[in-house]
Amino acid sequence: AQSVSQHNHHVILSEAASLELGCNYSYGGTVNLFWYVQYPGQHLQLLLKYFSGDPLVKGIKGFEAEFIKSKFSFNLRKPSVQWSDTAEYFCAVKSLDYGGSQGNLIFGKGTKLSVKP
Amino acid sequence: NAGVTQTPKFRVLKTGQSMTLLCAQDMNHEYMYWYRQDPGMGLRLIHYSVGEGTTAKGEVPDGYNVSRLKKQNFLLGLESAAPSQTSVYFCASSYSSNTRTFSNQPQHFGDGTRLSIL
Repeated sequence: AQSVSQHNHHVILSEAASLELGCNYSYGGTVNLFWYVQYPGQHLQLLLKYFSGDPLVKGIKGFEAEFIKSKFSFNLRKPSVQWSDTAEYFCAVKSLDYGGSQGNLIFGKGTKLSVKP
Repeated sequence: NAGVTQTPKFRVLKTGQSMTLLCAQDMNHEYMYWYRQDPGMGLRLIHYSVGEGTTAKGEVPDGYNVSRLKKQNFLLGLESAAPSQTSVYFCASSYSSNTRTFSNQPQHFGDGTRLSIL
């Protein structure tokens, strides 16, 4: 079965520190990759997505992610975090090859980011 | 543009009671989804629908039923609520995932329904 692993459950950083959140998935076929962010008390919002082309994807609010196919990874990065980045971050994978549940997102369990001012 | 609207936002039920959560989207999306979000578990797919009149089971369908009588609405029902169903429920919608044109479209999420079963 497909799965998505986010290695860190809770990350605590000070403002201006650099951020990297890990995401690995198990499926070897054609995939779309997403990072969603959930601010406290709010719904999930799309941060960035990868479909094809340049494996380095830039999203909103200074976030970027790099797709490394050989490592089945799609890690999220930000050079300098702000207090307002405090949120929970979810990596998600969409398979394009399976029938039936084709197109359904498989979510990781999430990583909580706490940024200290 | 309202996007994805969920009602109610909060609800407290007693064990054994039934209720229906409503999800409405105004983006003409074909696909709709119901997820539950539990601490440390991420989002898990309960049921989904690829079009009006069709539904399918997701990862955790037991204890839930769904209906998609109209394209814009996707209902999630709990016939006999159990404390294990205490969760935050999110509805989402997207364009068809079966075409390459839209295969990279993200899902749009509602604001969630916080449900407590006593």
